[in-house]
Amino acid sequence: EAQVTQNPRYLITVTGKKLTVTCSQNMNHEYMSWYRQDPGLGLRQIYYSMNVEVTDKGDVPEGYKVSRKEKRNFPLILESPSPNQTSLYFCASSLTRESVGEQYFGPGTRLTVT
Amino acid sequence: GQNIDQPTEMTATEGAIVQINCTYQTSGFNGLFWYQQHAGEAPTFLSYNVLDGLEEKGRFSSFLSRSKGYSYLLLKELQMKDSASYLCAVHNTDKLIFGTGTRLQVFP
Repeated sequence: EAQVTQNPRYLITVTGKKLTVTCSQNMNHEYMSWYRQDPGLGLRQIYYSMNVEVTDKGDVPEGYKVSRKEKRNFPLILESPSPNQTSLYFCASSLTRESVGEQYFGPGTRLTVT
Repeated sequence: GQNIDQPTEMTATEGAIVQINCTYQTSGFNGLFWYQQHAGEAPTFLSYNVLDGLEEKGRFSSFLSRSKGYSYLLLKELQMKDSASYLCAVHNTDKLIFGTGTRLQVFP
């Protein structure tokens, strides 16, 4: 089954404790992206990757890192989480950057930083 | 700057027709996309417009006017399961920029 998976689905952590949210897709998609979704602000892009070893900042990259060592995986790293990073996070992928409008989204990761 | 506007909330009755509007001002434009998102779930792609006009897809249709920076999503024969948020998004160069979404509640 074609899908985007994220882990963990739920995470409660404390300020400053490094964490990684994994994202994997099995569709051989070139383009992958991370979003955060907050009430009243909608989906905002954090980082995106157009292919292996190619990553770029989105609209809200501060406090986040990503890597794209393999085509299928695109982990999101929070080196020193803070309470303002409490949010719902979605990973998404599309076949190419030209087809970014038709993205497949993962199920989401609800992160709480205390 | 980039700006995408949609109404925050709408209500409608089962069996009715509802139109959700979206206006945009973006530095680039490669297409306008509509997503559906049920509460607590991931967004799913619904439809898109690249050229002006109406695109029909079953009970859902989407319209685009590039000169006016305007789109709408039309939902016909509303069902209870259509209660969800509808996200308007503009494809701008390498990114998809989302509006804040319209929460639609369908009542019996």
